[in-house]
Amino acid sequence: GNSVTQMEGPVTLSEEAFLTINCTYTATGYPSLFWYVQYPGEGLQLLLKATKADDKGSNKGFEATYRKETTSFHLEKGSVQVSDSAVYFCALSGTGSARQLTFGSGTQLTVLP
Amino acid sequence: GAGVSQSPSNKVTEKGKDVELRCDPISGHTALYWYRQSLGQGLEFLIYFQGNSAPDKSGLPSDRFSAERTGGSVSTLTIQRTQQEDSAVYLCASSSYDRGRNEKLFFGSGTQLSVL
Repeated sequence: GNSVTQMEGPVTLSEEAFLTINCTYTATGYPSLFWYVQYPGEGLQLLLKATKADDKGSNKGFEATYRKETTSFHLEKGSVQVSDSAVYFCALSGTGSARQLTFGSGTQLTVLP
Repeated sequence: GAGVSQSPSNKVTEKGKDVELRCDPISGHTALYWYRQSLGQGLEFLIYFQGNSAPDKSGLPSDRFSAERTGGSVSTLTIQRTQQEDSAVYLCASSSYDRGRNEKLFFGSGTQLSVL
């Protein structure tokens, strides 16, 4: 079945540091890939997505590139802010009998001023 | 409504009692999911409804858990004979169905279930 493996947290960075959160996946066919974010006290919301190989999703300064050869979708941001502190979830959506969204375990990010 | 609505937002119950959690998805969304988020854990898939197809129940942890979706809209997740390990935030999400893929999920704010 489909699965998503995320870098374990928690991750603590200083403001303006570079962020990478690793995500790799296992899936049959050609899944769509997502990053969801959960800010403190709020519900999950979509951050960015990519639907085919070599696509780059981007939003709010975050980027992730769909790498089929390495089955990865790492999240990056060049300069994090305190307001980026949240839990980040990598996810994939399959096709056919595997259409449900499968999430990774989440990575807690804390950005210090 | 404008978003996915879940009720109640908080539920405290005694061990052994039954509980019902409700989800009202975004109008027109054919796909509806239930997930569980335990403290410090990721999202655990429970069940998935898509249109008139048979639901995918592969994530339900035991036969104490069941869910139904009436008229293709509102869904109810029922937990019978609750146990302390059932304590978690239960999240509902809905999405449209585009070319065989569910591209973006819209989540409700969840129901915090506490079993004493």
